[in-house]
Amino acid sequence: NAGVTQTPKFQVLKTGQSMTLQCAQDMNHNSMYWYRQDPGMGLRLIYYSASEGTTDKGEVPNGYNVSRLNKREFSLRLESAAPSQTSVYFCASSSRQFEAFFGQGTRLTVV
Amino acid sequence: RKEVEQDPGPFNVPEGATVAFNCTYSNSASQSFFWYRQDCRKEPKLLMSVYSSGNEDGRFTAQLNRASQYISLLIRDSKLSDSATYLCVVNVNNAGNMLTFGGGTRLMVKP
Repeated sequence: NAGVTQTPKFQVLKTGQSMTLQCAQDMNHNSMYWYRQDPGMGLRLIYYSASEGTTDKGEVPNGYNVSRLNKREFSLRLESAAPSQTSVYFCASSSRQFEAFFGQGTRLTVV
Repeated sequence: RKEVEQDPGPFNVPEGATVAFNCTYSNSASQSFFWYRQDCRKEPKLLMSVYSSGNEDGRFTAQLNRASQYISLLIRDSKLSDSATYLCVVNVNNAGNMLTFGGGTRLMVKP
């Protein structure tokens, strides 16, 4: 019962470094999402993908890129990390009824 | 104005109490509504979907009021284990499958 798997769980980056957060789901869901969660800000949508081959910007897309590699995988890339991108990142996928299931999160610190 | 708004709380209640949370949404075309539970430093987990006719799951009851654009969550006979943050989620664009989260309401149940 893997559900949604995110890697890595923790990461420390220096300003200007790049990295890719990986996400995979095994529930055959069409829709996948990347959110960030900051203290006092709730979950904010970065990008989402309604189906394989499509991606759309969410509320806070600047500084990020995404790739929907196939139906299972949806990655998030930080090309040049900034301290403002220090956050907890959650990947999610949703059923046709829009019930979302989340990965365990990636705690990213940019110094 | 945020698309989905919640009172951040915290709501401090004794065990056995009944507590209710409201969540307002701004887009009248919103179609799907959910309550999620998030424990500290964990991923959000689906608590229940909210249907037009309302729905109940054990001690939890969810209601939708489309005319006033809010959804509610009622918890009866509160348990210590109910302490968590409760997130209201709205699907604001059926075609795009985008899910928007409220900021969450924190509940603390005391012995």
